[in-house]
Amino acid sequence: QSALTQPRSVSGSPGQSVTISCTGTSSDVGGYNYVSWYQHHPGKAPKLVIYDVTKRPSGVPDRFSGSKSGNTASLTISGLQAEDEADYYCCSYAGTYSWVFGGGTKVTVL
Amino acid sequence: QLQLQESGPGLVKPSETLSLTCTVSGGSISSTNYHWGWIRQPPGKGLEWIGTLYYSGSTYYNPSFKSRVTISVDTSKNQFSLKLNSVTAADTAVYFCARLNGYCSGSSCSYYFDYWGQGTLATVSS
Repeated sequence: QSALTQPRSVSGSPGQSVTISCTGTSSDVGGYNYVSWYQHHPGKAPKLVIYDVTKRPSGVPDRFSGSKSGNTASLTISGLQAEDEADYYCCSYAGTYSWVFGGGTKVTVL
Repeated sequence: QLQLQESGPGLVKPSETLSLTCTVSGGSISSTNYHWGWIRQPPGKGLEWIGTLYYSGSTYYNPSFKSRVTISVDTSKNQFSLKLNSVTAADTAVYFCARLNGYCSGSSCSYYFDYWGQGTLATVSS
């Protein structure tokens, strides 16, 4: 069970779009539609922003969107805002009641 | 609003047992479709799933922890706990508790960690 692969960091100016990739295998990301994304400001509780690949919890701005192609899931933040600066983690079901997370991506708003 | 709060000693000696508790408020730990998990974040690293306690009472653990880990529940206190045996410095991490929201409607299922605690730092050192 290896961690999902995410870029260490991405950055963008306010109003721009950034996309974070999350690469796994056919045993996790590619095999199930239980991919979720979490926003984490250090010292605070992680916050769910996308679940089941594409669904947004109530209260999460529609600037956040998710997708998946093969073994790679993606989180896109459109119209980047200062408060979006945080660490983002993907998570996927990996079969047999197990879960695997990504290494995390730091989003910097320039 | 559901809230989760981790608690436990911040310092544990090598080879000893790390014991943490997650107190759930604003909802019942016994509600159907809800399950309870522990996730950790070593310094400078990503998140790592430790294990999940399902509503059925079954527990599933990350194989990388082998037989060192136990997750249990105390419904009378609305709490669930983590015990990690034989700790080493590699177990130093921020430990998070979280609720796994899982349900199926017809042929469609949905699973995600929807509520998390703020995390508690556990340091393994002599």
